[in-house]
Amino acid sequence: ELKVEQNPLFLSMQEGKNYTIYCNYSTTSDRLYWYRQDPGKSLESLFVLLSNGAVKQEGRLMASLDTKARLSTLHITAAVHDLSATYFCAVDPYGGSQGNLIFGKGTKLSVKP
Amino acid sequence: NAGVTQTPKFQVLKTGQSMTLQCAQDMNHEYMSWYRQDPGMGLRLIHYSVGAGITDQGEVPNGYNVSRSTTEDFPLRLLSAAPSQTSVYFCASSYSWGRGYTFGSGTRLTVV
Repeated sequence: ELKVEQNPLFLSMQEGKNYTIYCNYSTTSDRLYWYRQDPGKSLESLFVLLSNGAVKQEGRLMASLDTKARLSTLHITAAVHDLSATYFCAVDPYGGSQGNLIFGKGTKLSVKP
Repeated sequence: NAGVTQTPKFQVLKTGQSMTLQCAQDMNHEYMSWYRQDPGMGLRLIHYSVGAGITDQGEVPNGYNVSRSTTEDFPLRLLSAAPSQTSVYFCASSYSWGRGYTFGSGTRLTVV
């Protein structure tokens, strides 16, 4: 059974601090997605990682993918309150051929002044 | 370009009733899928489709039917609603080979 595990599930940070969210998965895959969800809202695409070693950055967020270790990380630099949200990673175990994703349970991030 | 449109946004059903959740996309995406989101569970795949006329089951398909007669539409049918189907439902679409998925705004369903 394919499992996608995120940790931590809850993260309370102070503004200005750095932290990393981890996403481990149990099957081979070179496709991983990160999403952000605000309360009561839909999922917003943050990063699409489509190969081993892929690294993408947008503002204070940087995502990377290590397919050999089956690990993706979402690094937060100098957190600000606006980053408070739930972050999901999702893995495509079929190489893009079947159009579906397996999600982690999400990391609820709270950034406090 | 409306993206992925889901209707209704909110719905309350009585146990045993049936209904259809609508999902439409105007991006000519080949792939479409339905997920349900429950607290602490992330999103779980219900059904998916890689093109018109082709559907398949995901992780939690029981109690749901789908069909895909056109590229644009992918309705989700609840055959006989149960309280366990109380959830938020999201529809998503993508070009083939999963180059990025777009999600609809969701339908919040309560079964009493």
